[in-house]
Amino acid sequence: QKEVEQDPGPLSVPEGAIVSLNCTYSNSAFQYFMWYRQYSRKGPELLMYTYSSGNKEDGRFTAQVDKSSKYISLFIRDSQPSDSATYLCAMSEIGTDSWGKLQFGAGTQVVVTP
Amino acid sequence: GAVVSQHPSWVICKSGTSVKIECRSLDFQATTMFWYRQFPKQSLMLMATSNEGSKATYEQGVEKDKFLINHASLTLSTLTVTSAHPEDSSFYICSARDLSAGYNYGYTFGSGTRLTVV
Repeated sequence: QKEVEQDPGPLSVPEGAIVSLNCTYSNSAFQYFMWYRQYSRKGPELLMYTYSSGNKEDGRFTAQVDKSSKYISLFIRDSQPSDSATYLCAMSEIGTDSWGKLQFGAGTQVVVTP
Repeated sequence: GAVVSQHPSWVICKSGTSVKIECRSLDFQATTMFWYRQFPKQSLMLMATSNEGSKATYEQGVEKDKFLINHASLTLSTLTVTSAHPEDSSFYICSARDLSAGYNYGYTFGSGTRLTVV
């Protein structure tokens, strides 16, 4: 079983819709959670990060973490065609030997259609 | 914000030759950098952790003699793929963290290097 599970999609939504992405994980030592956006043949771009349960909002993006369920989500409101990309969740332990070693989900390909 | 520059962005080499990839932190110092590999339609897999002034630590299954990592300064880490073979063809990406940001950090990634071995 992978440490981080993420549906690879593709997820197709119409422009203006809410994109809902999620990941589950098995390692309870993960304390730091990130979402990255990756365009084809480019490096990942950090969108959101958080290290506590609850919601964090930044513009059109909302990240949710539920440590008790080992479940994280990313919501994108008012989606635009330019949001079409692969979205990767990533997580890390803090303060252990594995600090800094990011474990990535498989990435979900999102297509926003005009 | 923190910027990580990675070069080259793509390279084609002949089987048996070596290729060097550079990763630079442009506006911050990085005592630790990370090297990942990504195969098509797959996620990023950590290869090794590059530590400034000391030996890199490799993940299980990664050949340290094949993937040579040097972190000679606080702003530069290099990955050399030695005696490259077609199965080494992949997308290689480095990342670094701005330590001055404390816990409010995010890992910044380079733009990646697409290696094709023919």
